[in-house]
Amino acid sequence: QEQLVESGGGVVQPGRSLRLSCEASGFIFSNYGMFWVRQAPGKGLEWLAVIWSGGPNVDYADSVRGRFTISRDDSKNTLVLQMNNLRGDDTAMYYCVRGMGGSWPHWYFDLWGRGTLVKVS
Amino acid sequence: DIQLTQSPSSVSASVGDRVTITCRATHGISNWLAWYQHSPGKAPKLLLYSTSFLQSGVPSRFSGSGSGTDFTLTISNLQPEDSATYFCQQSHILPWTFGHGTTVEI
Repeated sequence: QEQLVESGGGVVQPGRSLRLSCEASGFIFSNYGMFWVRQAPGKGLEWLAVIWSGGPNVDYADSVRGRFTISRDDSKNTLVLQMNNLRGDDTAMYYCVRGMGGSWPHWYFDLWGRGTLVKVS
Repeated sequence: DIQLTQSPSSVSASVGDRVTITCRATHGISNWLAWYQHSPGKAPKLLLYSTSFLQSGVPSRFSGSGSGTDFTLTISNLQPEDSATYFCQQSHILPWTFGHGTTVEI
């Protein structure tokens, strides 16, 4: 069964850091581009970061560029989001997502985790 | 950035009804649009991609249409398990963006 399980969320003070992890199972993790997407309370979904299959190509939304870093360890089937200098508006549910698609950037999000909650307060 | 506006924001319907949700983009996105279903406590689920292609395992009562800036998701023969929030997403250009969602209550 294909699955993504996020962990690492919690309550953190503004300006501090937090590291989210996502463990993938049931599929060949290294073959897929991976994403982080978040949803703040009462808001819509927001794409944050992408890492290509095989790395190291990455890209970020403007709202997190320079503060967040996406990385992957294909030997451990793990995706990571390092979040630094956190702000109140980073409070959200954070989702680990698998990408599907052909030509760049026409990718879709075909497998999601249940999310991990981050509260900056 | 391309903004996606969904309407209605919520809809109440009965089992067996047909529900239509629209998604309007601020710029043309060809057919690079997907629809997702999100039930509370569950992982979001891809329903349709490239406007009208049904993701594997998704019931055929879900269908999509449109092109350019205007798109629709239609749920025919509504079932109790379709109670969820539905949102659209464009993959025409970065950043990928999402609609704010439409809640379907049954």
